[in-house]
Amino acid sequence: DVKVTQSSRYLVKRTGEKVFLECVQDMDHENMFWYRQDPGLGLRLIYFSYDVKMKEKGDIPEGYSVSREKKERFSLILESASTNQTSMYLCASSPRTDLAKNIQYFGAGTRLSVL
Amino acid sequence: RKEVEQDPGPFNVPEGATVAFNCTYSNSASQSFFWYRQDCRKEPKLLMSVYSSGNEDGRFTAQLNRASQYISLLIRDSKLSDSATYLCVVKSFNKFYFGSGTKLNVKP
Repeated sequence: DVKVTQSSRYLVKRTGEKVFLECVQDMDHENMFWYRQDPGLGLRLIYFSYDVKMKEKGDIPEGYSVSREKKERFSLILESASTNQTSMYLCASSPRTDLAKNIQYFGAGTRLSVL
Repeated sequence: RKEVEQDPGPFNVPEGATVAFNCTYSNSASQSFFWYRQDCRKEPKLLMSVYSSGNEDGRFTAQLNRASQYISLLIRDSKLSDSATYLCVVKSFNKFYFGSGTKLNVKP
């Protein structure tokens, strides 16, 4: 069974703090993704990575950065947290395989509140 | 315009009913299509991939219409446990685009 683990289920931070969200997968997947999910907006892609040390911007990268030093770990960094970054953050991984099987597996999510 | 659009619902149906959801996508070059299920306060999980010829998995049937750029999900003989939000997902150029989900409530 694929396991994607996010380090925290709930986080409360103050405006201006630097925040690290960690994600680890145990299936040797090449691809990893960070999304945020907000009511009525669905999941929106922040950043993704197709290999170690590789990263690409998603649709809403502003205010975020990422790090992928090891294949199994993909970190999301909020350089200076703001209240509009209060959201549910979901990490996902997927294997580099044929299109129909390119399924994403999600972590349980981190609900971040920025006060 | 959103890449993927869904009716948010909620769809309130009795047990045993048949219910159908549609989803439209904007990029005609999209390559892969999926339905995910998300329970309240949980992560999305794959329900089924959607193939060009349509496919069935038990009570669930998925269809793809490339000409009209929509995909559908049909649930027959609804169970209480089918209550969830169903997310339409489209893959285009190495990115996954998610609809905002359709909420289904199955009532006794």
